[in-house]
Amino acid sequence: DAGVTQSPTHLIKTRGQQVTLRCSPKSGHDTVSWYQQALGQGPQFIFQYYEEEERQRGNFPDRFSGHQFPNYSSELNVNALLLGDSALYLCASTPQGSPTWQYFGPGTRLTVL
Amino acid sequence: AQTVTQSQPEMSVQEAETVTLSCTYDTSESDYYLFWYKQPPSRQMILVIRQEAYKQQNATENRFSVNFQKAAKSFSLKISDSQLGDAAMYFCAYRNRDDKIIFGKGTRLHILP
Repeated sequence: DAGVTQSPTHLIKTRGQQVTLRCSPKSGHDTVSWYQQALGQGPQFIFQYYEEEERQRGNFPDRFSGHQFPNYSSELNVNALLLGDSALYLCASTPQGSPTWQYFGPGTRLTVL
Repeated sequence: AQTVTQSQPEMSVQEAETVTLSCTYDTSESDYYLFWYKQPPSRQMILVIRQEAYKQQNATENRFSVNFQKAAKSFSLKISDSQLGDAAMYFCAYRNRDDKIIFGKGTRLHILP
């Protein structure tokens, strides 16, 4: 049983560009959450998707948007990239019927030049 | 808003010894979950142990145990018989009723051979 997977592993973009990150949840999980982890910091909650809708959102600008597909996989989109968007982006999924803890993927390292 | 504070940016412990990592949190909720996550250099966030706030008994997972003091809003992690593989960043985390997780800034743990 594969765990949470994310792609790509690493990504380099320039300021002003747009980026899409992808996440496949663990089998049997229906809720996906996204986090941004700046270097040397703890992860910060971006938003959460359930039943293809954004259920809640952290303190991030509208440049950050997402989507969840019928198979529960999810995308994180960031528009108009800033240098400060450089970070590790983590995806986490939650088990159906037992929303007590989240399983994390290995993350995507985004570098904005 | 809930907050999580880890006051020890770094700690070191001799192999086979015991170490305690501190965590305090602030919340007005009565029902919540607390976690300790481990993040090794591979970046994968791994759940170490969890505690339901309504349970008075401290959680234990093999060499890992917590000291949960609900009134004091304290949630420390004790690692017994420390092993080289325990070296990592450790994050204390709080899950609110909406399944949003708030992380502390982390404690980097070094294991000395």
